[in-house]
Amino acid sequence: AQTVTQSQPEMSVQEAETVTLSCTYDTSENNYYLFWYKQPPSRQMILVIRQEAYKQQNATENRFSVNFQKAAKSFSLKISDSQLGDTAMYFCVPNTGNQFYFGTGTSLTVIP
Amino acid sequence: NAGVTQTPKFQVLKTGQSMTLQCAQDMNHEYMSWYRQDPGMGLRLIHYSVGAGITDQGEVPNGYNVSRSTTEDFPLRLLSAAPSQTSVYFCASSATGTGVEKLFFGSGTQLSVL
Repeated sequence: AQTVTQSQPEMSVQEAETVTLSCTYDTSENNYYLFWYKQPPSRQMILVIRQEAYKQQNATENRFSVNFQKAAKSFSLKISDSQLGDTAMYFCVPNTGNQFYFGTGTSLTVIP
Repeated sequence: NAGVTQTPKFQVLKTGQSMTLQCAQDMNHEYMSWYRQDPGMGLRLIHYSVGAGITDQGEVPNGYNVSRSTTEDFPLRLLSAAPSQTSVYFCASSATGTGVEKLFFGSGTQLSVL
């Protein structure tokens, strides 16, 4: 199984501030995809952002952006202008070989 | 558009009982999968399927069986439930499973084994 490390079990950020969640992974593949999913208290799994490993350009989706460092196998998520609705568990998810590998998650709390 | 439907939402079993968790999708997805979510451990893949008649094991397959007789359905069977199988179970589907498309998740099943 692929190893996915999210070294920050819990984080907090003031509303309207910026926060970065870190993720490292281990794969021998050259072409793969990476995702960030969020899971709010409702337990629903929601896609935040997706990155294609063969693309050097970092993905962005409104207030969410990633810093993808392929050689370092690093895939961090930056949330700008944090909102109360961003409070959730965030999972880093590489995909290789028809399998999606979930990290242990970072619990993010946005403080009013 | 229903997406991925999981039933039941909650279930309590006694040790040794059997049951089937149902999962159905109406998006004509070839790829379907089952995960379990335990506190502090993220989601772990149990079994997955890349099409009707094809299944494969994930990271934690022991104690679980699956079959894929149709594109739409991917049931997960617990043959003899154990307390260690107490968890939240998610079914997810995707067009291909290659990562080109995202995973669509069901709403989850909270299973308690006493």
